[in-house]
Amino acid sequence: GAVVSQHPSWVICKSGTSVKIECRSLDFQATTMFWYRQFPKQSLMLMATSNEGSKATYEQGVEKDKFLINHASLTLSTLTVTSAHPEDSSFYICSARDQLAGDTDTQYFGPGTRLTVL
Amino acid sequence: GQNIDQPTEMTATEGAIVQINCTYQTSGFNGLFWYQQHAGEAPTFLSYNVLDGLEEKGRFSSFLSRSKGYSYLLLKELQMKDSASYLCAALDSNYQLIWGAGTKLIIKP
Repeated sequence: GAVVSQHPSWVICKSGTSVKIECRSLDFQATTMFWYRQFPKQSLMLMATSNEGSKATYEQGVEKDKFLINHASLTLSTLTVTSAHPEDSSFYICSARDQLAGDTDTQYFGPGTRLTVL
Repeated sequence: GQNIDQPTEMTATEGAIVQINCTYQTSGFNGLFWYQQHAGEAPTFLSYNVLDGLEEKGRFSSFLSRSKGYSYLLLKELQMKDSASYLCAALDSNYQLIWGAGTKLIIKP
């Protein structure tokens, strides 16, 4: 089946630093990738939709200057948390759509990246 | 507004059958997903229904009634590893996923 990877799996950083998270579709091409955030015991919250070769679409309340998204190729999207603060500590999950699959609505989720900001 | 409702928690016995219900209200509808999520891990895809009826995949089956805005996930021959949260998510007219809060399923020996 379709596999989506994220790197790193875990990251701990100091407050004020920037962290980049990569999301890759390993065996399919994804024109659209999604970035989610999950707080404990809550459902996923969509942060932004990343479209290959164009600007990301951010959900209301998500600061685009703080969460920079780049989708430079059909298999890679990156999320950079700039000037991270402790309140940014969360589980970040990406997903991707297989553009060639018959069922184009299915999203394949990455394993997630746990960010802890000290 | 858009809303997904599913029970917060359910308990079942190993080897038994459990049905997790989900009701939804969305602006347009393009299908409903069920995901399984183990603690600390990203949700994994279980099923997708867009037409009315029951779809079976091994021990798991998913049912959809569009007229009722209702779906259920049926798990048979429960195993301890099935202990997880089960997320119901509907795809609205903008192809955005509207997520439920998840149902925590506890399996007892």
